[in-house]
Amino acid sequence: DADVTQTPRNRITKTGKRIMLECSQTKGHDRMYWYRQDPGLGLRLIYYSFDVKDINKGEISDGYSVSRQAQAKFSLSLESAIPNQTALYFCATSDDRGSETQYFGPGTRLLVL
Amino acid sequence: GENVEQHPSTLSVQEGDSAVIKCTYSDSASNYFPWYKQELGKGPQLIIDIRSNVGEKKDQRIAVTLNKTAKHFSLHITETQPEDSAVYFCAASMADTDKLIFGTGTRLQVFP
Repeated sequence: DADVTQTPRNRITKTGKRIMLECSQTKGHDRMYWYRQDPGLGLRLIYYSFDVKDINKGEISDGYSVSRQAQAKFSLSLESAIPNQTALYFCATSDDRGSETQYFGPGTRLLVL
Repeated sequence: GENVEQHPSTLSVQEGDSAVIKCTYSDSASNYFPWYKQELGKGPQLIIDIRSNVGEKKDQRIAVTLNKTAKHFSLHITETQPEDSAVYFCAASMADTDKLIFGTGTRLQVFP
């Protein structure tokens, strides 16, 4: 969905490096999410934010941190990347006015060597 | 917490045939069940959803059924076309949480 953008789309990094994945949305949604997708494991929630002042851990938050810089921006950081963080990462947004539909970005493919 | 199981992991059908994907959930408090389609190189996109006060919902060639007693729900695609080839995810959430628990995905291939 072009309303949710992620940068970079692909990233190769080395073990121990700090990296940041960025997500921006023009949908005007308050709620934003970061997911990780691994083959055979589906989509797992890393962190979510229901507004700028609200940050919550998901089911697999260890090794990750987030920053909600504005309503439209939600960044995911890997403080010290490790190979098992190699995955496809998705940002998503949803409206807090009664609809649970989540709108996903195109994803960032991350490879940690 | 909620757990969602999805079967099969892969499904191959001939164009024009029907495809069925099944999911079960563990938390009886779950009341919202969306289905997402993920095409190659793209993020998942909602294709249909159902709430716990409804047993079935249709949208053209796709339908979803929900059995609350058995805690399972299914996606039905009729008259499949090659463009239906994608990965499909089911999910479940509880009221007012806006958190989705996803199944592990089904890769559907429709052969011409």
